[in-house]
Amino acid sequence: SAVISQKPSRDICQRGTSLTIQCQVDSQVTMMFWYRQQPGQSLTLIATANQGSEATYESGFVIDKFPISRPNLTFSTLTVSNMSPEDSSIYLCSVGNLMTGTHIQYFGAGTRLSVL
Amino acid sequence: AQSVTQLGSHVSVSEGALVLLRCNYSSSVPPYLFWYVQYPNQGLQLLLKYTSAATLVKGINGFEAEFKKSETSFHLTKPSAHMSDAAEYFCAVSESIQGAQKLVFGQGTRLTINP
Repeated sequence: SAVISQKPSRDICQRGTSLTIQCQVDSQVTMMFWYRQQPGQSLTLIATANQGSEATYESGFVIDKFPISRPNLTFSTLTVSNMSPEDSSIYLCSVGNLMTGTHIQYFGAGTRLSVL
Repeated sequence: AQSVTQLGSHVSVSEGALVLLRCNYSSSVPPYLFWYVQYPNQGLQLLLKYTSAATLVKGINGFEAEFKKSETSFHLTKPSAHMSDAAEYFCAVSESIQGAQKLVFGQGTRLTINP
């Protein structure tokens, strides 16, 4: 399994501002993903972070709102832009490795975001 | 698209009792199935996985799950509940779309253990 570090672990932000969340893995991985977990709900995939190219977004999520970077095989960032209270959620990074063929994803501890 | 249904958003059992968390999936191809656990204020931890090998899968912390193709089910069980098992449990199925592997999660089941 991989060790995944997410920063910050939690934050309280004012509406209209932006927050960038970092995800660092201790080994090279082929796939990195960003999920949102709204209060009391399950996980929803925001996008797949692609190394060296634009992220692949799921229906309902757009790049202007959730820009993602992935400069190398161990690091990715997710920015939550122009925040509103509806963006209050847990944001989780996960990683997977196509080479294993197991489809397993390992998750970071998440970033707990509250927007006032 | 694949989907996952977890029956029961809340399950409460007594300490020492059997734990049964239900999961049904829909898939047109042999699936990869997972159970994850989320303890309060933590991320998701992999409990166990089914990847087309043995139908009875053993995981961590005494949990196991049985893949039943005829019932499209992957229920999670533990013979004797412990207070430390109190958490949110998520069943997930993996699908491959254009070479990308994605997890689709059920709505989750909150497990409460009564002393």
